[in-house]
Amino acid sequence: DIQMTQSPSSLSASVGDRVTITCRASESISRYLNWYQHKPGNAPKLLIYAASNLQSGVPSRFTGSGSGTDFTLTISSLQPEDFATYYCQQSYSTPRTFGQGTRLEIK
Amino acid sequence: QVQLQRWGAGLLKPSETLSLTCGVYGGSFSDYFWSWIRQPPGKGLEWIGEINYSGSTNYNPSLKSRLTISVDTSKNHFSLKLSSVTAADTAVYYCARTMYWGVPRFDSWGQGTLVTVSS
Repeated sequence: DIQMTQSPSSLSASVGDRVTITCRASESISRYLNWYQHKPGNAPKLLIYAASNLQSGVPSRFTGSGSGTDFTLTISSLQPEDFATYYCQQSYSTPRTFGQGTRLEIK
Repeated sequence: QVQLQRWGAGLLKPSETLSLTCGVYGGSFSDYFWSWIRQPPGKGLEWIGEINYSGSTNYNPSLKSRLTISVDTSKNHFSLKLSSVTAADTAVYYCARTMYWGVPRFDSWGQGTLVTVSS
């Protein structure tokens, strides 16, 4: 299985801050990398697919980059509704695997 | 706008079989794969497996020996059966649509359902 490792595991930030979350794959996955936002009590929501493509309806303050083994999710200016847990997920091979999550909290 | 609605038992005893069904409303059923994903309490997301319209499946090897995913194309439903459950199978279970055009991704999700395994 391809292991996905996110850093940091948790992050405190303020509204308006720029934040970056990193995801590393245990082997090269090209650009087969997706990002999800998950709020308690809700279903996860697809934000970014294929490393850098913004899912329809997702605000442009979310950007993704990377290829191979190293990827980043950046939120350019945090909004109150962005405080959630973020997961990366690889689709290069099955089983599909997720990172352990990055919990973004209000400072 | 596709909607996924799941149902099934929420409380099981060890050794019983977990059974969940997800209905797909709106949008195409035949153009996608349909997945099950779970999240144990306090842990991350785990992909369980997927099925398409014709019944082709992909399973997580860690669950494959206990897992059956099936599809009912007459109702646009797909189902999960996980046998011989233990406390480790306690989780919130989600059904999701898998978009396979380009990079596969879970682009629509149903609300999760907590399944608890306890004696």
